[in-house]
Amino acid sequence: QVQLLQSGTEVKKPGSSVKVSCQASGDSLNTYAITWVRQAPGQGLEWMGGILPMFGRANYAQKFQGRVTITADKSSNTAHMVYMELSRLRSEDTAVYYCARVKRGDTFYDILTDQNYYYYFMDVWGKGTRVTVSS
Amino acid sequence: EVVLTQTPGTLSLSPGERASLSCRASQTIRSGYLTWYQQKPGQAPRLLIYGASNRATGIPDRFSGGGSGTDFTLTINRLEPEDFAVYYCQQYGDSPSFGGGTRVEVK
Repeated sequence: QVQLLQSGTEVKKPGSSVKVSCQASGDSLNTYAITWVRQAPGQGLEWMGGILPMFGRANYAQKFQGRVTITADKSSNTAHMVYMELSRLRSEDTAVYYCARVKRGDTFYDILTDQNYYYYFMDVWGKGTRVTVSS
Repeated sequence: EVVLTQTPGTLSLSPGERASLSCRASQTIRSGYLTWYQQKPGQAPRLLIYGASNRATGIPDRFSGGGSGTDFTLTINRLEPEDFAVYYCQQYGDSPSFGGGTRVEVK
């Protein structure tokens, strides 16, 4: 049973950067995408971006473009660690940051396009990393 | 960007009652890309339903999902005490997004 282990609580000053790690236990991350989702206190979930560790390709939500960088550890053939770095921190970035594994499921048929597509969903989540930004 | 609007914001019900949660998308999305999650206080979200209507492994059959196009629903039959939580819909298009959530609370 794969688990995602995240790094610990961070307290940062405004204007600084934070780097949060997400490590797979029990499986490699090579064959999955990893996505990052954050949740401000008392608020909903917000998608930040994701990466395919096997290819090292990342994509980001428009809101975070230029401030977030998601990378995968390529020190071995199998990727077990993914990182999310958020720069130019401000108080509004205070949140719990989650990594989640994106699983590709079976295919489904879309009648509108007459094509088959894969299901994608976040099936395994880390416990979250609390980041507080305060002067 | 696809905006997901969940209604109601809060649902007050008693154990044993049925909960119906709505998720409306600002544009048509593929049903296979619509997912529901449950989140309890202090916990990470938990996958409930994927592809609009497929229960994830281990999810009880009192949870069901449906809908297509822009309108999707999550139904919880016979609410159990452990079902009182916040529920989020999410779409997995080019730029994934979540709805604002529906809190199901004890009446």
